[in-house]
Amino acid sequence: GAVVSQHPSRVICKSGTSVKIECRSLDFQATTMFWYRQFPKQSLMLMATSNEGSKATYEQGVEKDKFLINHASLTLSTLTVTSAHPEDSSFYICSARDGGGPQETQYFGPGTRLLVL
Amino acid sequence: AQTVTQSQPEMSVQEAETVTLSCTYDTSENNYYLFWYKQPPSRQMILVIRQEAYKQQNATENRFSVNFQKAAKSFSLKISDSQLGDTAMYFCAFMKAGGSEKLVFGKGTKLTVNP
Repeated sequence: GAVVSQHPSRVICKSGTSVKIECRSLDFQATTMFWYRQFPKQSLMLMATSNEGSKATYEQGVEKDKFLINHASLTLSTLTVTSAHPEDSSFYICSARDGGGPQETQYFGPGTRLLVL
Repeated sequence: AQTVTQSQPEMSVQEAETVTLSCTYDTSENNYYLFWYKQPPSRQMILVIRQEAYKQQNATENRFSVNFQKAAKSFSLKISDSQLGDTAMYFCAFMKAGGSEKLVFGKGTKLTVNP
């Protein structure tokens, strides 16, 4: 089956620094990738949608200058949390749509736990 | 905008018994998809079952089945012969067909299967 990886799985950083999270589709070409944020004991909230080679589309209330998304290839999307603060601590999950598969099918990565001190 | 409501924050069931998780949604769309995802303690999101709104027949996947009531906008998940490995958060989700492929999730139901 289709596999999506995320790296790192866990990261701790100091307040004010930037953190990059990678999302890779390992055995398919991901024309579209999605980034979600999940606070403890809460649901997944979509942050942004990225399409290969174009600018990401951000959901209302998500700061595009703070959460930089790059989808430079059909197998890689990155989320950079710039000038991270403790309130950015959360679980970040990506998903990817197989460009050659059903439109409604998304494959999820295992998530990245970010802790900002 | 679409909304998904899961009215049961937590549920428990005895091993080998059957449990039903509720989900309702609100949309003006006619064509869409509905999903149940499982998130175990590992936090990996796993697709449990999917339903196309244009199909009247309820989807089934082994021990998992849904009761899809389009007019009532209801999409419940039935887990038969519950197993300890079914312990997880379960999220109901909605996606508009032919659109942006965005998934809208409910708040989730924490299911505990007791031995």
